[in-house]
Amino acid sequence: EAGVTQFPSHSVIEKGQTVTLRCDPISGHDNLYWYRRVMGKEIKFLLHFVKESKQDESGMPNNRFLAERTGGTYSTLKVQPAELEDSGVYFCASSPFTTGSYEQYFGPGTRLTVT
Amino acid sequence: RKEVEQDPGPFNVPEGATVAFNCTYSNSASQSFFWYRQDCRKEPKLLMSVYSSGNEDGRFTAQLNRASQYISLLIRDSKLSDSATYLCVVNRHFGNEKLTFGTGTRLTIIP
Repeated sequence: EAGVTQFPSHSVIEKGQTVTLRCDPISGHDNLYWYRRVMGKEIKFLLHFVKESKQDESGMPNNRFLAERTGGTYSTLKVQPAELEDSGVYFCASSPFTTGSYEQYFGPGTRLTVT
Repeated sequence: RKEVEQDPGPFNVPEGATVAFNCTYSNSASQSFFWYRQDCRKEPKLLMSVYSSGNEDGRFTAQLNRASQYISLLIRDSKLSDSATYLCVVNRHFGNEKLTFGTGTRLTIIP
């Protein structure tokens, strides 16, 4: 079974540009999460989708970040315009929508560098 | 104050030794607890869930003390392959909700 995949693996952009990150969850997983790790800090939650609906977006830093999950399959996270402090590793995770199964499976991450 | 606090290390431990990590969490309403492992430049992977009764998986033992809001991980007979960052992770609820991570404890096993 394929794991969570993310694209691109690495992105270097200039301040003010736009970047779109993509996440493909494990097939059949209704829950999809975005997390971010800024250098030297802990991994922090950004938002949670259940199918195509945003369940919790309390971790989104500001309105420069827009996440979508059209059709409840893959998700995109757009940063527009990017700022220097947006640099970090963006992880996507997914989990099945079942009780008693709380493991979140993480993708390899997208390393974003804003210069 | 951070929601989940861990000693960042690094811990440099000889192969075969026993090593213990601790973690404290601030939200007394937290319901589920985990240890994740993260290798350098890789994604976090679940190592084990942590229960009040304590649980063991081979060389790994995890313990939860709700009264002290304290979680521990013990690794016995450490192997070179145990070198990684160990992340203490907490969930406010049982179920599919956001995870709160500690900064991680870096472990290096020395041959």
